[in-house]
Amino acid sequence: NAGVTQTPKFRILKIGQSMTLQCTQDMNHNYMYWYRQDPGMGLKLIYYSVGAGITDKGEVPNGYNVSRSTTEDFPLRLELAAPSQTSVYFCAIQGEKLFFGSGTQLSVL
Amino acid sequence: RKEVEQDPGPFNVPEGATVAFNCTYSNSASQSFFWYRQDCRKEPKLLMSVYSSGNEDGRFTAQLNRASQYISLLIRDSKLSDSATYLCAVNANDYKLSFGAGTTVTVRA
Repeated sequence: NAGVTQTPKFRILKIGQSMTLQCTQDMNHNYMYWYRQDPGMGLKLIYYSVGAGITDKGEVPNGYNVSRSTTEDFPLRLELAAPSQTSVYFCAIQGEKLFFGSGTQLSVL
Repeated sequence: RKEVEQDPGPFNVPEGATVAFNCTYSNSASQSFFWYRQDCRKEPKLLMSVYSSGNEDGRFTAQLNRASQYISLLIRDSKLSDSATYLCAVNANDYKLSFGAGTTVTVRA
């Protein structure tokens, strides 16, 4: 997926651990998003950013934090992982279309 | 009521068949409409935008019905490679897409 890079691809966390999901783009787009997708469910917006230094909550922000210090990077932070945060996480950028990274599969056990 | 709702399917069709399904949206102010395709454990990829007048891209036809607030996707001459989950996405011109949970299509030989 040229343009949007997500790391890691897979991760298993224990309850209460913290981690940061990384998202980096090289397309110089202002709009970036974090979605989560649970099995059989649609994509739910966690946080989004309209440019460096500007972030806002989406539909399901509880338990997450974000920052946007540069145009390129939009990391998602889980401070106290809970089983309910087991999901697949997608970062996306908005250019002419919404373009997704390849996702991070996270399990919290 | 969910913002965007889809029949989850699955639609199980033979090769060469035509399959069609809808997506309803609740926000009458919605301005932009899209169909995304998602393969198992992969990121969603834009299949096509949906325009007011309806549009076609090869074997795929998308329609918008504003009065009844739904969009549709029709796949003609189904191929095995069309097997996927199809997500509809809607936004009200605020750069935040709302996604349906997806319709699963399985094309059998």
